[in-house]
Amino acid sequence: KQEVTQIPAALSVPEGENLVLNCSFTDSAIYNLQWFRQDPGKGLTSLLLIQSSQREQTSGRLNASLDKSSGRSTLYIAASQPGDSATYLCAVRPGAGNNRKLIWGLGTSLAVNP
Amino acid sequence: EAGVAQSPRYKIIEKRQSVAFWCNPISGHATLYWYQQILGQGPKLLIQFQNNGVVDDSQLPKDRFSAERLKGVDSTLKIQPAKLEDSAVYLCASSLGPKSSYEQYFGPGTRLTVT
Repeated sequence: KQEVTQIPAALSVPEGENLVLNCSFTDSAIYNLQWFRQDPGKGLTSLLLIQSSQREQTSGRLNASLDKSSGRSTLYIAASQPGDSATYLCAVRPGAGNNRKLIWGLGTSLAVNP
Repeated sequence: EAGVAQSPRYKIIEKRQSVAFWCNPISGHATLYWYQQILGQGPKLLIQFQNNGVVDDSQLPKDRFSAERLKGVDSTLKIQPAKLEDSAVYLCASSLGPKSSYEQYFGPGTRLTVT
């Protein structure tokens, strides 16, 4: 059974720091992995989606990497800003085909302090 | 392109009352999902529609929750009667289809508080 773990559960950093959020999964047979951002009590914003054949994806100050063999993904945020404060969730699509449910981590709550 | 729309954004009700949430997916998206996200947890899939048919409702508490997508576009999720443990954010998402290759797009969510 696929399980997704995110460490740390919470992180507080000063503005300007580069930081890394971690996501690990127990079954390497995934189709893709997605990172989301969620502001308190709000919906989910998709940040990056990495296909199983890819090693990384970049968008602005965000870079997500994927190492299927070790069951890990990292989200790197460069030059963090207070506006980056939010909860970051990763979700794994367990395989190809139809109607495969996303398997979610519990998220990392990030606070970037001015 | 307009995103997934949900209403209301916030709702406060007393236990044993009923409540309904509405979702309008992205135009042309055949698959629609309702998730429940309790504070501090990841989203839990309640129900998945393909057009107007139910694909997966295995985690929907059917004694109190119901959902429909009659014309294969908009959807409503209802809770009757509500319990305290139903307090959560209810997320609607849509995708072009059910394939793993299709990305899910999420709405802003409805935050429900049951007192």
